[in-house]
Amino acid sequence: QQQVKQSPQSLIVQKGGISIINCAYENTAFDYFPWYQQFPGKGPALLIAIRPDVSEKKEGRFTISFNKSAKQFSLHIMDSQPGDSATYFCAARLTGSNYQLIWGAGTKLIIKP
Amino acid sequence: NAGVTQTPKFQVLKTGQSMTLQCAQDMNHEYMSWYRQDPGMGLRLIHYSVGAGITDQGEVPNGYNVSRSTTEDFPLRLLSAAPSQTSVYFCASRPRASSYNEQFFGPGTRLTVL
Repeated sequence: QQQVKQSPQSLIVQKGGISIINCAYENTAFDYFPWYQQFPGKGPALLIAIRPDVSEKKEGRFTISFNKSAKQFSLHIMDSQPGDSATYFCAARLTGSNYQLIWGAGTKLIIKP
Repeated sequence: NAGVTQTPKFQVLKTGQSMTLQCAQDMNHEYMSWYRQDPGMGLRLIHYSVGAGITDQGEVPNGYNVSRSTTEDFPLRLLSAAPSQTSVYFCASRPRASSYNEQFFGPGTRLTVL
């Protein structure tokens, strides 16, 4: 099974709060897990990524937590700001098959001022 | 660098018409791909290419053709447009198929098929 399941579909967070988006997968042939951020009218852009040999990666206010045994990974946005309002996609890179990215369905995040 | 460029930005077609969505990149990336984005379905891979002269099908290839005659260009052809092909289309590139480097996306083409 190649699916990556992402939740929630939409999320509203108050300014300054913590935004949490979750993804789960079943295929153990995934070897790289990026998160992409997409603003309206634009293409997705890489936000942060992690490999399965680490459990956490932090870049500024953005953190990926990775649980290999549970096959889950999540994006945490600390001190969420209105400028973080966007759609977020998790993805997983499939080894072999020319290393295709399998994408989650996306989460529309709205940060209320 | 212009990055990944796509034309047109918007297009309206009638059922049965054909057209070509253009994609070009100036980063000398080997790997290029086409996705369609539909609400609630994320990004679905249509076709991809690992280098000039090499293309392969993705998850949803039916109704689309691609070719890769140069490293820079990767056009997507709709053979006979159908309303089910109404979507936003994104072209993307990265240095190599196996690269951990980020995938760069173009700005997208919003296509409506009537």
